[in-house]
Amino acid sequence: AQSVTQLDSQVPVFEEAPVELRCNYSSSVSVYLFWYVQYPNQGLQLLLKYLSGSTLVKGINGFEAEFNKSQTSFHLRKPSVHISDTAEYFCAVKSGTASKLTFGTGTRLQVTL
Amino acid sequence: KAGVTQTPRYLIKTRGQQVTLSCSPISGHRSVSWYQQTPGQGLQFLFEYFSETQRNKGNFPGRFSGRQFSNSRSEMNVSTLELGDSALYLCASATDRANTGELFFGEGSRLTVL
Repeated sequence: AQSVTQLDSQVPVFEEAPVELRCNYSSSVSVYLFWYVQYPNQGLQLLLKYLSGSTLVKGINGFEAEFNKSQTSFHLRKPSVHISDTAEYFCAVKSGTASKLTFGTGTRLQVTL
Repeated sequence: KAGVTQTPRYLIKTRGQQVTLSCSPISGHRSVSWYQQTPGQGLQFLFEYFSETQRNKGNFPGRFSGRQFSNSRSEMNVSTLELGDSALYLCASATDRANTGELFFGEGSRLTVL
């Protein structure tokens, strides 16, 4: 069975500061990893994904994530956040041929002036 | 290209009633998945349909069911509603090409059970 742990339920940060949202996963097989963002009263939007290849993945809105197989982590980073980045962020994993995603519990990023 | 469309966006039901939610996937997508989102349990996988066949199912009671039509549109049904069924129900579609797992989500149907 696979699982995803998002270590921080909330992350407050000032505008223009850097941020890192942490994600660890467990799976006995090779995985695909994803970060999704959810704005209030909306569905989930894909930020970025790791399928294979380079371990540093760049996504939309200036976000990037690094896949670390030895530490089973896939942390999300942004060098300078904006007020509009305030949202809930979900890390997700898919392994094997199963079609479902297993999500973490989410991290609420709160950006303030 | 139109995104994933879910209807209705909001609905209120009472305990014991049943509800049907609809999802129209992105054109050309043949896989449709359903997830339940609640503050306590987070995002939980309900089931996935591909070419009118249920391909995967989560750990939900039999009151939760779904189906997919030949045009890939999908419906999910919850019978004998309980208070705990109050949630945001999200539909997601995928091309299933290479089975990479990238999902495109709709805005959800928010169900309130009174």
